[in-house]
Amino acid sequence: DAGVIQSPRHEVTEMGQEVTLRCKLISGHNSLFWYRQTMMRGLELLIYFNNNVPIDDSGMPEDRFSAKMPNASFSTLKIQPSEPRDSAVYFCASSPTPSYGYTFGSGTRLTVV
Amino acid sequence: TQLLEQSPQFLSIQEGENLTVYCNSSSVFSSLQWYRQEPGEGPVLLVTVVTGGEVKKLKRLTFQFGDARKDSSLHITAAQPGDTGLYLCAGGFQKLVFGTGTRLLVSP
Repeated sequence: DAGVIQSPRHEVTEMGQEVTLRCKLISGHNSLFWYRQTMMRGLELLIYFNNNVPIDDSGMPEDRFSAKMPNASFSTLKIQPSEPRDSAVYFCASSPTPSYGYTFGSGTRLTVV
Repeated sequence: TQLLEQSPQFLSIQEGENLTVYCNSSSVFSSLQWYRQEPGEGPVLLVTVVTGGEVKKLKRLTFQFGDARKDSSLHITAAQPGDTGLYLCAGGFQKLVFGTGTRLLVSP
């Protein structure tokens, strides 16, 4: 298995533009988590899905952020419009069940200028 | 909100030294996990501890879960440059809360 695959690895965009981050889960994993990592705040959970259904989105900063899981193996995180304070590394992680250990992707480093 | 505080924040040591990293909370956790993150990569799971007082060993790494299941420690014996990275503890039911992290640098 190739593990959790995220794309793009790096994204530089201008303030106000739409950004879409992509994540492919490990086959057979039913739980999907989106995290954001910054030096100041560490790893923060944004949203998680179980069996394609969003369970908890309380970590999503505001309405500019949205996440979807159109099928069991793929998820997107969209920011529209993007702002400089959204600059961070965004990780997705998957797990066989919510309480099991997570497998993280390599992350997308987002820079909004 | 469950919070996990890690100490120290930064640790710079020479190859061959021993070290201990701590993870503390005021909340009780059913289990705790330890991850290591290298630059440019996502965290990688090292171990899960589930029983109060449990000790697990992974080569030169020893993990302990506190009796009250509110704290955990990671001890590295004879550290090597390959141990360099960010060490994160994490806990929670269904969704993991991550600790503040300990950044370890092991110099040759």
